Amino acid sequence: DVKVTQSSRYLVKRTGEKVFLECVQDMDHENMFWYRQDPGLGLRLIYFSYDVKMKEKGDIPEGYSVSREKKERFSLILESASTNQTSMYLCASSQITRDRAAGELFFGEGSRLTVL
Amino acid sequence: KQEVTQIPAALSVPEGENLVLNCSFTDSAIYNLQWFRQDPGKGLTSLLLIQSSQREQTSGRLNASLDKSSGRSTLYIAASQPGDSATYLCAVTGGSQGNLIFGKGTKLSVKP
Repeated sequence: DVKVTQSSRYLVKRTGEKVFLECVQDMDHENMFWYRQDPGLGLRLIYFSYDVKMKEKGDIPEGYSVSREKKERFSLILESASTNQTSMYLCASSQITRDRAAGELFFGEGSRLTVL
Repeated sequence: KQEVTQIPAALSVPEGENLVLNCSFTDSAIYNLQWFRQDPGKGLTSLLLIQSSQREQTSGRLNASLDKSSGRSTLYIAASQPGDSATYLCAVTGGSQGNLIFGKGTKLSVKP
């Protein structure tokens, strides 16, 4: 089975702290994604990556950065956490198809971040 | 810009009932459509993936259909059980790099 593992299920941080959210997938997928999910707003794409060292901004990249040094690992970084970044963060991965579209998407269990 | 809508936002049914969840999208130029299940506080679990060239996919008691021309997909759940209670989301993929656009989900409650 495909496994997407997020390093922390629950985090509590203070305003201004630097936060790292780690995600590892074990199926050699090219695509990796970071979403945040908030009540009433649904899932919103923060960043995605289709290859090592490649990254693309999603719909809401402000306040976030990402790192993909190895194919299996995609990290989300909050340089200076703010209270409006309190959310559920979801990592996902997929195979890339011949037409360069995403195949079936597999999600991790999520990381619930609270910024005080 | 692609928009995905799921109606109703919430649905409550008695156990054993067959039910249909709806998903509509505004741009028919999609590559695939995927249905997910999400339990409270958890990540999303993939249920069914329908390629744009397909009309339907089946897995156990679940059947998903796709009508690209009308911009609609349905998820049919047969003989619903309390364990089916969850939020169901659909997402469409279009264009290069395959960015998915999600609906906001339908929260299903199956009463014993």
